[in-house]
Amino acid sequence: NAGVMQNPRHLVRRRGQEARLRCSPMKGHSHVYWYRQLPEEGLKFMVYLQKENIIDESGMPKERFSAEFPKEGPSILRIQQVVRGDSAAYFCASSREHLNTGELFFGEGSRLTVL
Amino acid sequence: QQQVKQSPQSLIVQKGGISIINCAYENTAFDYFPWYQQFPGKGPALLIAIRPDVSEKKEGRFTISFNKSAKQFSLHIMDSQPGDSATYFCAASKAAGNKLTFGGGTRVLVKP
Repeated sequence: NAGVMQNPRHLVRRRGQEARLRCSPMKGHSHVYWYRQLPEEGLKFMVYLQKENIIDESGMPKERFSAEFPKEGPSILRIQQVVRGDSAAYFCASSREHLNTGELFFGEGSRLTVL
Repeated sequence: QQQVKQSPQSLIVQKGGISIINCAYENTAFDYFPWYQQFPGKGPALLIAIRPDVSEKKEGRFTISFNKSAKQFSLHIMDSQPGDSATYFCAASKAAGNKLTFGGGTRVLVKP
């Protein structure tokens, strides 16, 4: 019973390039959440998606960031024209039902380094 | 606006001692308060959680104490072990909400 799978685990990009982070939720989970963790800081909510729908993107920066969760395949967090401030660990989490108990299952994260 | 404030930022405790981490929240609509444990290079994992209808919840060596009137809750780790060395995050969510709001984290080091 695989957990939440994220890839790549580590990604290095130069300023101006694009970063694509992928997340496959746990089997049977249809709710996906993306969080960002800056060094020595807590996790900040970015976006909540269900299949083919963005439900809450209140934590997403207005520009350069986008997310999707297609009917088939993993959820994708896309960062265009990366800047050094985008360097962080990006965590995906999934839940079976709508979040009402706080029981999110997190992946091991994708660590983005922008040179 | 930091809705969940966590302290201390770091904590060193001797093996067998008690680790205490405190959190305070502002939003009275929060009604679910989980704690997550994160080891270096790993994702956070749910440790224990509480709802405001109880003042205390215990699971093994981990206890949450909740003070609704003060809008504070805390995690106690009894008989701390070196394997407990990790970063601990408190969090909060609303019943009908879409997200967890996390505290800033506490790095706990248990010395043998």
